[in-house]
Formats: sequence, structure tokens, C-alpha cells
Amino acid sequence: GAGVSQSPRYKVAKRGQDVALRCDPISGHVSLFWYQQALGQGPEFLTYFQNEAQLDKSGLPSDRFFAERPEGSVSTLKIQRTQQEDSAVYLCASKLKAPGQGRNEQYFGPGTRLTVT
Amino acid sequence: AQSVSQHNHHVILSEAASLELGCNYSYGGTVNLFWYVQYPGQHLQLLLKYFSGDPLVKGIKGFEAEFIKSKFSFNLRKPSVQWSDTAEYFCAVIRRHSGGGADGLTFGKGTHLIIQP
Repeated sequence: GAGVSQSPRYKVAKRGQDVALRCDPISGHVSLFWYQQALGQGPEFLTYFQNEAQLDKSGLPSDRFFAERPEGSVSTLKIQRTQQEDSAVYLCASKLKAPGQGRNEQYFGPGTRLTVT
Repeated sequence: AQSVSQHNHHVILSEAASLELGCNYSYGGTVNLFWYVQYPGQHLQLLLKYFSGDPLVKGIKGFEAEFIKSKFSFNLRKPSVQWSDTAEYFCAVIRRHSGGGADGLTFGKGTHLIIQP
């Protein structure tokens, strides 16, 4: 595809359920990022992958959040035992090269809106 | 930690008015700065970026921004806005982690711009 895609676009989960959010980056993009955007706020960094390696997960809010990118392309963000405060839009972005390699930009997907009831 | 401040959370203008949205960042080292726009129902898109060189950066759709290092600012401007500029605008800086490297983006909280016909 031409851009970053995410699925599902909307997810409603009952408190305590596990959810999995998928990101398909632009083909060939080395870097992949996950962000969390609460209502009325800017996106906040969660984690970063360079190919299949998760190089920075310092933004993950708790150990209930887990991300993977096993083959260096598609990535999944998993949230275990969801809580109401997890309700947000989860954005994925990809970038052609690694940070520091060229002045390329991050391309964002449409996001997954997660509502925990 | 770095932070990005956007002073105006909501701005309402009439068509043909001039626009300036403020952005200040806290990081004192080398910065790479961005403005992203999110039109209603669409994903985040890059308006313009600054890496080095000419501090006056021109972007898409007639937008420009000026990097003023002494003021830690990167304000967005447009001489004459159109109704189609109604959107959410986010200022961002490349996130630098404790190891000195850079990866994701740190965003401001956003400015909701409404252009009245």
C-alpha cells in the first residue's frame, strides 16, 4: 500500500480484556514508532523499532503494554488487562531510515481508537 | 526531559486573516523541528521540517515557520488562511533519549484552528 495502515480502526474492550493492535508500515521502512494520543492531547511516544529490534521502550506506561515486530515489517502493540485509562488513539508511524540517517520524516497511520468500558 | 509548548489551544480566525501559531521547546542542544497537521477525519501529515541551514522554512499549502534559536521557538505562519486550513496543528521536536541518540518525536498538545468563512 501507499501509506501506513492500522487495524482495527476502532476497538471497544471491556476492562480486563487483552487487545492487539496491528500496524503495517510503508514497505521498506526501517524505523517504526508507536504513540498514544489521549483526547485533547498531542501524541506521546511509546516505543521504537529499528527493523526487528526494539531499541527504545521507555515510553510504555506499564508492563501491561508489549510491542513486537518479529520480521522487521508488521508490528503489533498488545495491551493486557486493559484499564479505562488506556482509552486513547494509538498511532503508528514509519520512517525510511534509522534516526540520524538522512532528513526523512515519519509517516503516520490513521490510528486505532481504543475505548475501554 | 524535552518538552514542547503550544501557547494557543484554540484559535478562531476569519478567511484571509494572517496566522501565527506559537511553539517553544525546552531542549538546548541540536534540534530538529516539525509541524504536523491533522485535518478532520484524516491522519497526521507533515507540513514542514527544520534540520539546519536557513531558519525560515517553507512548507506545503503556503505555510512557513521560523526557527529562532535564542528564543527556543519555531512559530508557524501563513499570510492568508483559507477555510480548508481548519485542522489541528502539532509542533514536534525529535526526541533525544538519555543515551544521546534520537528516535521518536515529542509533540506539543496541539492547536485547534477554526477558520470561519
